[in-house]
Amino acid sequence: QQQVKQSPQSLIVQKGGIPIINCAYENTAFDYFPWYQQFPGKGPALLIAIRPDVSEKKEGRFTISFNKSAKQFSLHIMDSQPGDSATYFCAASVDSSYKLIFGSGTRLLVRP
Amino acid sequence: EAGVTQFPSHSVIEKGQTVTLRCDPISGHDNLYWYRRVMGKEIKFLLHFVKESKQDESGMPNNRFLAERTGGTYSTLKVQPAELEDSGVYFCASSQFSGTGVGYTFGSGTRLTVV
Repeated sequence: QQQVKQSPQSLIVQKGGIPIINCAYENTAFDYFPWYQQFPGKGPALLIAIRPDVSEKKEGRFTISFNKSAKQFSLHIMDSQPGDSATYFCAASVDSSYKLIFGSGTRLLVRP
Repeated sequence: EAGVTQFPSHSVIEKGQTVTLRCDPISGHDNLYWYRRVMGKEIKFLLHFVKESKQDESGMPNNRFLAERTGGTYSTLKVQPAELEDSGVYFCASSQFSGTGVGYTFGSGTRLTVV
């Protein structure tokens, strides 16, 4: 049983477009929702994270939108660039815990 | 600051053989984690060390997997005997404090292929 469901599996956008990656969760005990970015041959790296007391968080061109009642959160990449091409993973955890529950990942390709 | 180092980066072994993966965490990080991603699936937690002690090994698939962390420094993950379904990318991560809120630092992973 997958606790964090991520979609789409892959995504292709043109430079300047706004890719959106969605995740849904079931466990209401989750209180920390990070996004990780992974480039080929590298490990996942923390990109941005949100806690459920806010509905949106922005860091540069990356925005997380969070809907607590729907148990969904999403990543938006504004003015996407070819350098954003990577695999993106959403995750969730109970902050007091050390264990991250990941989604299945989204391969993003940003075409020049 | 050196990152989390894993080696080998790739390993191809035959079914039934033994493979040992190694992870060197960031110096001073007491918390060390192993995760695995099977092709196209989610990254799954395997286990968590605090210093040399196993805090949680609930994600270990079966008793063919053995993790150790000698002296609270580097860690090894041994698979013996390897099966086809063990293929995947094994990630190690470390953190200074427990609790995911502070963020992990992941290594680049070891891609294991069992043929």
